[in-house]
Amino acid sequence: GAGVSQTPSNKVTEKGKYVELRCDPISGHTALYWYRQSLGQGPEFLIYFQGTGAADDSGLPNDRFFAVRPEGSVSTLKIQRTERGDSAVYLCASSLSAGGFYNEQFFGPGTRLTVL
Amino acid sequence: AQSVTQLDSQVPVFEEAPVELRCNYSSSVSVYLFWYVQYPNQGLQLLLKYLSGSTLVKGINGFEAEFNKSQTSFHLRKPSVHISDTAEYFCAVSEVSDYKLSFGAGTTVTVRA
Repeated sequence: GAGVSQTPSNKVTEKGKYVELRCDPISGHTALYWYRQSLGQGPEFLIYFQGTGAADDSGLPNDRFFAVRPEGSVSTLKIQRTERGDSAVYLCASSLSAGGFYNEQFFGPGTRLTVL
Repeated sequence: AQSVTQLDSQVPVFEEAPVELRCNYSSSVSVYLFWYVQYPNQGLQLLLKYLSGSTLVKGINGFEAEFNKSQTSFHLRKPSVHISDTAEYFCAVSEVSDYKLSFGAGTTVTVRA
């Protein structure tokens, strides 16, 4: 059974470079979420998609971060001009839908980003 | 906005001993409450959740938690732990009809023989 998958599992980049992180949600899940987990902390919400549109991007830390989900399935988190403080594990989750009554979020294994 | 405080960052425990992980939350509205477990090099897995109804919630792997509204707490317990319970545990909250999860900083449980 396919769960949420994320690629790459590890990404090492240099300060100032551009990176893309990919998330494949569970088939049929319309809601997709990105979270960031810094060392020693719990995950923090970044952005949420319902279908193709970003319904809430209030957690994105600044305009260097951007995410897309053009066909309502796979999502890509894009980080421009990376900084050392962007180093973290980036988690993706999906659920059948969002809002209304509870729908469980299923998490992927994460992408560990290291900015040198 | 809601927030979550996990009162213990690390909990060492011997095998077959009981364990309790403490979680307090703050919110001005009704919330859902969750405990997630993260095993080394794996994603977050839902242990249990409180949505409504009975305040004692049972989850997977023998874990249970009790919602205490007056104390705004949602402590996690297991009467007898195994080596395989070694992991990081996260308490999380979301507002009812919302989607964003707010997580605590996590509690690392290390079970020793």
